[in-house]
Amino acid sequence: QSALTQPASVSGSPGQSITISCTGTSSDVGGYNFVSWYQQHPGKAPQLLIYDVTNRPSGVSNRFSGSKSGNTASLTISGLQAEDEADYYCSSYTRSITWVFGGGTKLTVL
Amino acid sequence: QVQVVESGGGVVQPGGSLRLSCAASGFTFSNYDMHWVRQAPGKGLEWVAFIQYDGSKKYYADSVKGRCTISRDNSQNTVYLQMNGLGAEDTAMYYCAKDLRGHWTLDYWGQGTLVIVSS
Repeated sequence: QSALTQPASVSGSPGQSITISCTGTSSDVGGYNFVSWYQQHPGKAPQLLIYDVTNRPSGVSNRFSGSKSGNTASLTISGLQAEDEADYYCSSYTRSITWVFGGGTKLTVL
Repeated sequence: QVQVVESGGGVVQPGGSLRLSCAASGFTFSNYDMHWVRQAPGKGLEWVAFIQYDGSKKYYADSVKGRCTISRDNSQNTVYLQMNGLGAEDTAMYYCAKDLRGHWTLDYWGQGTLVIVSS
């Protein structure tokens, strides 16, 4: 149950786009389309942004989008806004009938 | 609206036990699988346990297997996490989350309950 690999930090200026990668294995990210992304502001609970690789729950801005290629999933945030500054986590269902999270990525809006 | 509210956290001595509770509302609890996830101070998220909607299937992270038991009472709309043999590595915020049926994702999270293992 090794954690998925995410960059520790990314940054961008308001209005720009950024992409956060999430690398796993064929037993998790590469084997299933059950990849999710969560946003967590300091001191708050995580909130679901993306599920099933590309789907957005109702109420989530279309500035957030997801994709996957092989064992790597990606979250793209377009039109960066100050309120996007937060920690982002990917997650995947695994072959062992468990769930695994990435180590988290801190997004700084410059 | 959907709500999950955790309780039962606190300070416990190493080797001790604690039972966390998660009260759910705003959805038909007995139709949904539930999870526990934890987050050590300043660290990332770690999935802990899963229980199927009817309680018939349970799965655990290796880090807690044999020490933790997840259960639920559908008549009380509550899910529990019994934790035994606690160590410093179990110090964390513990979140309860509802599963998005059919999608193996956690769609609604509570605000968490803090467990501190310390002598």
